[in-house]
Amino acid sequence: EAQVTQNPRYLITVTGKKLTVTCSQNMNHEYMSWYRQDPGLGLRQIYYSMNVEVTDKGDVPEGYKVSRKEKRNFPLILESPSPNQTSLYFCASSSDPRVSYEQYFGPGTRLTVT
Amino acid sequence: GNSVTQMEGPVTLSEEAFLTINCTYTATGYPSLFWYVQYPGEGLQLLLKATKADDKGSNKGFEATYRKETTSFHLEKGSVQVSDSAVYFCALSDGSTDKLIFGTGTRLQVFP
Repeated sequence: EAQVTQNPRYLITVTGKKLTVTCSQNMNHEYMSWYRQDPGLGLRQIYYSMNVEVTDKGDVPEGYKVSRKEKRNFPLILESPSPNQTSLYFCASSSDPRVSYEQYFGPGTRLTVT
Repeated sequence: GNSVTQMEGPVTLSEEAFLTINCTYTATGYPSLFWYVQYPGEGLQLLLKATKADDKGSNKGFEATYRKETTSFHLEKGSVQVSDSAVYFCALSDGSTDKLIFGTGTRLQVFP
């Protein structure tokens, strides 16, 4: 089954404790992206990657890191999480956003930073 | 800059009622327009799209027409079901950037 998976689905952590949210897709997509969803703000892009070893900042990259060492994986790293990073995070992938812009989304990771 | 504005929710309807969720956009050039749906506890799924003016996207009984003159892409369905309860996001892509720009989402609640 074609899908985007994220882990963990739920995470409660404390300020400053480094964490990684994993994202994996099995569709051989070149493009992957991370979004955060906050009430009243919709989805905002954090980082995206056009291909292996190619990453770029989205609209709200501060406090986040990403890496793209393999085509299928695109982890999101919070080196020192803060309470304002409490949010619902989505990973997405696409075969080529410049052609169709149909992105496939993972189920989401709800992060709470206390 | 490019932006999408959606009507605020929640929209509360009885089963079989007619649905309209308004979406207007601001963009340079000729964007593609999308409706995504988010069911409870799930990620977003593409519902329908339109890539040029006057195109009509349709899927699962939902429709939206790309209106360049009014910069709108309103979502409609003639008869909603309880299973349509979800959050609906309007989005655009202008083709020159590698990202979608989302509206804030509209929650639809359908009661039997």
